[in-house]
Amino acid sequence: EVQLVESGGGLVRPGGSLRLSCAASGFAFSSYTMNWVRQAPGKGLEWVSSISMSSSFTYYADSVKGRLTISRDNAKNSLYLQINTLRAEDTAVYYCARDSRQSGSYFELDYWGQGTLVTVSS
Amino acid sequence: DIQLTQSPSSLSASVGDRVTITCRASQGINHYLAWYQQKLGKAPKLLIYAASTLQSGVPSRFSGSGSGTDFTLTISSLQPEDVATYYCQKYNSAPRTFGQGTKVEIK
Repeated sequence: EVQLVESGGGLVRPGGSLRLSCAASGFAFSSYTMNWVRQAPGKGLEWVSSISMSSSFTYYADSVKGRLTISRDNAKNSLYLQINTLRAEDTAVYYCARDSRQSGSYFELDYWGQGTLVTVSS
Repeated sequence: DIQLTQSPSSLSASVGDRVTITCRASQGINHYLAWYQQKLGKAPKLLIYAASTLQSGVPSRFSGSGSGTDFTLTISSLQPEDVATYYCQKYNSAPRTFGQGTKVEIK
């Protein structure tokens, strides 16, 4: 069974940093592009970042470019998101999600974690 | 960047009604469009990919159509368990933008 379990969220002061993790199981993690999607309270979904199978390619939304870094450790079946210089507008549930197929192309997101809440407040 | 505009932003319909949600892309995206359903407090669930292909396990009352810039998600007979917010997403290239969502309620 495919499982994605996020962790690392919490209450952080503005200007602080946080590293989110996503533990994957039940599939060949190293063969899939992985993604982070966030959702601010009461708002819609926002794609944040993607990383290719071997970390050769990373992509970011313009709204987060320069402050967020996506990474992965295929040996540990884990996906990460480092968020620096946190702002109030980064308050959101952060989901990790898997591309549906093994390939270097783009695909829809077929499995999602339950999300981890990041709250930025003083 | 390509923008996705969904309409309506919300709708209320009766059980058994046919419901249609549209998603318009600001530039052509071929068939690289997915639809997701998100129930309150839950993670999104993939319904449709490649504009019209039903994800395994999704009820056949859901269907998708379109190509290029104009897409639709149709629920042929609305059921109480379909109460949710629905999102379209483009995935032909980064950024993999989502539409703003359509909230579906039962009248």
